[in-house]
Amino acid sequence: EVHLVESGGVVVQPGGSLRLSCAASGFTFKDYTMHWVRQAPGKGLEWVSRVTWDGYTKYYADSVKGRFTISRDNSKNSLYLQMNNLRTEDTAFYYCAKDIRGSSGSYCFDHWGLGTLVTVSS
Amino acid sequence: EIVLTQSPDTLSLSPGERATLSCRASQSVTGNSLAWYQQKPGQAPRLLIYDASSRATGIPDRFSGSASGTDFTLTISRLEPEDFAVYYCQQYGSSLPTFGQGTKVEIK
Repeated sequence: EVHLVESGGVVVQPGGSLRLSCAASGFTFKDYTMHWVRQAPGKGLEWVSRVTWDGYTKYYADSVKGRFTISRDNSKNSLYLQMNNLRTEDTAFYYCAKDIRGSSGSYCFDHWGLGTLVTVSS
Repeated sequence: EIVLTQSPDTLSLSPGERATLSCRASQSVTGNSLAWYQQKPGQAPRLLIYDASSRATGIPDRFSGSASGTDFTLTISRLEPEDFAVYYCQQYGSSLPTFGQGTKVEIK
């Protein structure tokens, strides 16, 4: 069974930094494109970032480009999101999500973690 | 950016009734690359339908999806108590995936 467990969400001041982690199990992690998707409390869903199976190709939403960096460690079955220069509008639940397509990737998410809450507030 | 508009915002129905949820795209969605997710309070979204009409693993057959041009539909043939939730459509036919604003299916 696929399990994705996010961690690292805390309260941080505007302009601060944070690193989120996602521990994956139950599937061959190194074979799949992975994503981060966020949801502001009580609001809709927003795709944030994607990394290919080998960690070399990365994509970002315009709203986070230049501030967030996605990475992965296939030896540890882990996905990361480094978040710098945080803004109040980055406050959200951050979900780690597995791509349905495997190494070829898509932007369709067949498994999600429970999420971790990042609050950006002074 | 492809904008997805879901309707209605809220659907009030009774268990056993049929639910029809709509999602309209602002432009063509390549390959009918559209998914539907269900989200319950305090939970992560769950994939129901992908490629507009394929059911995800473990999803009951009362859930079905269809497409006609830029209009997509999620149908729940007979609502079970556990189906009352918020439903989101999402397109992944472009390099910028986007979600609809959601439709809440509530108990009448």
